[in-house]
Amino acid sequence: NAGVTQTPKFRILKIGQSMTLQCTQDMNHNYMYWYRQDPGMGLKLIYYSVGAGITDKGEVPNGYNVSRSTTEDFPLRLELAAPSQTSVYFCASRPEVETQYFGPGTRLLVL
Amino acid sequence: QKEVEQDPGPLSVPEGAIVSLNCTYSNSAFQYFMWYRQYSRKGPELLMYTYSSGNKEDGRFTAQVDKSSKYISLFIRDSQPSDSATYLCAPYTGNQFYFGTGTSLTVIP
Repeated sequence: NAGVTQTPKFRILKIGQSMTLQCTQDMNHNYMYWYRQDPGMGLKLIYYSVGAGITDKGEVPNGYNVSRSTTEDFPLRLELAAPSQTSVYFCASRPEVETQYFGPGTRLLVL
Repeated sequence: QKEVEQDPGPLSVPEGAIVSLNCTYSNSAFQYFMWYRQYSRKGPELLMYTYSSGNKEDGRFTAQVDKSSKYISLFIRDSQPSDSATYLCAPYTGNQFYFGTGTSLTVIP
């Protein structure tokens, strides 16, 4: 099992550009999450999904969109990138509450 | 008021010391209380968790939850340089984990 994979590892965007952060898990987990982590801060929840076709907003959803058409994939879309979206983005998945597996993260710089 | 408050440190201790890491929270609905460890430039990894109040021990690590005072603790005994990392508490309710800001720990050989 590859676990949770994220692409790209690092990206520089110009203000106003758009991009999609990819997240894939091969563990057949129903629950998937997108977090952002700013320097010296904890993780803030952007969006989450409890299964294919079901998504819900977290604490900081503005400026982002998600979709969950399959169990494996949970892409995060940034529309009209802003400097405030400079952060490290982590995707995670879990089968039940007691475990949550994180991907390696995507570092995004918006200039 | 934030859902979860955690002293960011940094905390620096000598090897072999006992380390105490703490969080407070405000939401009475939290039932699971997780501790994650995050090494520099890596994703968090689950260290241990407790359900409701009480203690849980795993090797050198002990997690405690006091729901009456809304206080979460992680103790590390005989700390090692490999324990140097950021530790994040993350209570859970309603399909969501609520992360503290993390405490940066350095164990000096």
